[in-house]
Amino acid sequence: IAGITQAPTSQILAAGRRMTLRCTQDMRHNAMYWYRQDLGLGLRLIHYSNTAGTTGKGEVPDGYSVSRANTDDFPLTLASAVPSQTSVYFCASSEGDNSPLHFGNGTRLTVT
Amino acid sequence: GQNIDQPTEMTATEGAIVQINCTYQTSGFNGLFWYQQHAGEAPTFLSYNVLDGLEEKGRFSSFLSRSKGYSYLLLKELQMKDSASYLCAVRDSNYQLIWGAGTKLIIKP
Repeated sequence: IAGITQAPTSQILAAGRRMTLRCTQDMRHNAMYWYRQDLGLGLRLIHYSNTAGTTGKGEVPDGYSVSRANTDDFPLTLASAVPSQTSVYFCASSEGDNSPLHFGNGTRLTVT
Repeated sequence: GQNIDQPTEMTATEGAIVQINCTYQTSGFNGLFWYQQHAGEAPTFLSYNVLDGLEEKGRFSSFLSRSKGYSYLLLKELQMKDSASYLCAVRDSNYQLIWGAGTKLIIKP
């Protein structure tokens, strides 16, 4: 089934630890995004990639890094997790500027 | 700054009609999206408006007025499964999506 796969589904992480959230899509979409969703706030863009080999910073990039080695994969890394990074993280992809986003099922991350 | 405003929560009765409003102030406009998000799940695409007017898709319709910075999502013949959050998002002049915090819709029998 075509779509976006995120892993893990949920994770409890000690502060200071390094963590990579995985995201893979099989729709051959050029654009991919990482969002965090916190209660009472809209989805906030962390990083994005318009095409393989390029990445850009979103609204809240500090403490996060991404890479886009190929079209399908877009991992998000927390180099040294802090409690304020406790959130639900969604990966998404789209065909182009006026196309809707397709979302993965999310990763619920708790940093203690 | 850029801002999307939606009511935090609405309640409606099964079988009725509900209108969820969204007002926006963004740097430019390149389209408005509505998404549905059930609790604990991912957002799913409902509708897209780039020109003024009404777009109808089954029980759901979305309206846009660019001059007023205003959109609404109209849900007809409400069903219990429509209980969800509804997210409004606007593409700005840089084609970045600006998201509202969402409207939680509660359907009562």
